[in-house]
Amino acid sequence: GAGVSQSPSNKVTEKGKDVELRCDPISGHTALYWYRQSLGQGLEFLIYFQGNSAPDKSGLPSDRFSAERTGGSVSTLTIQRTQQEDSAVYLCASSLRAGGSHEQYFGPGTRLTVT
Amino acid sequence: LAKTTQPISMDSYEGQEVNITCSHNNIATNDYITWYQQFPSQGPRFIIQGYKTKVTNEVASLFIPADRKSSTLSLPRVSLSDTAVYYCLVGDFMIKAAGNKLTFGGGTRVLVKP
Repeated sequence: GAGVSQSPSNKVTEKGKDVELRCDPISGHTALYWYRQSLGQGLEFLIYFQGNSAPDKSGLPSDRFSAERTGGSVSTLTIQRTQQEDSAVYLCASSLRAGGSHEQYFGPGTRLTVT
Repeated sequence: LAKTTQPISMDSYEGQEVNITCSHNNIATNDYITWYQQFPSQGPRFIIQGYKTKVTNEVASLFIPADRKSSTLSLPRVSLSDTAVYYCLVGDFMIKAAGNKLTFGGGTRVLVKP
């Protein structure tokens, strides 16, 4: 079956511009997560959604970052006024439900480069 | 917030067993321990998960001592294709009151040599 998909796969933007990254979770998965991975670094948790509940935004690095999840499915991560330090691979994952006992399935990521 | 610590890198040879230990001294009662594998330019992939004692599947074993303050991923008879970064993940999103945080370790880069 289809896995988690993300678009675009690569995005190059100028400093100060806004970007939107999209994630399509596995059908039927109620939980969706966003992570960031800088070059050669580990995974940094950003935000997660469980169904239609308000998201846990505790990991967002600044107020320039926001995320939405429409209809409990597709999610968009928006970065406003991008900075060079935002350059990273942004990974999306989904799981059947939120919770450490549920395996997360990761997408291929979106590589964001801010010039 | 369960902080995790892993070795930065490990080298091994084909056919050997590789053991990677993750420390998580502040693990909470409801936290599960999950290990993921990541190849370059790919998203992480689930390997194994446990709560306590020992778990084994077709690719790995996970050993968790009684105090749960650490866990060891064991990869039997590694091959060149096992060269990857391995992440230890500790957490449980269900405890909202505690301030949810799912914490990945920094990852262990495993290099399998011929």
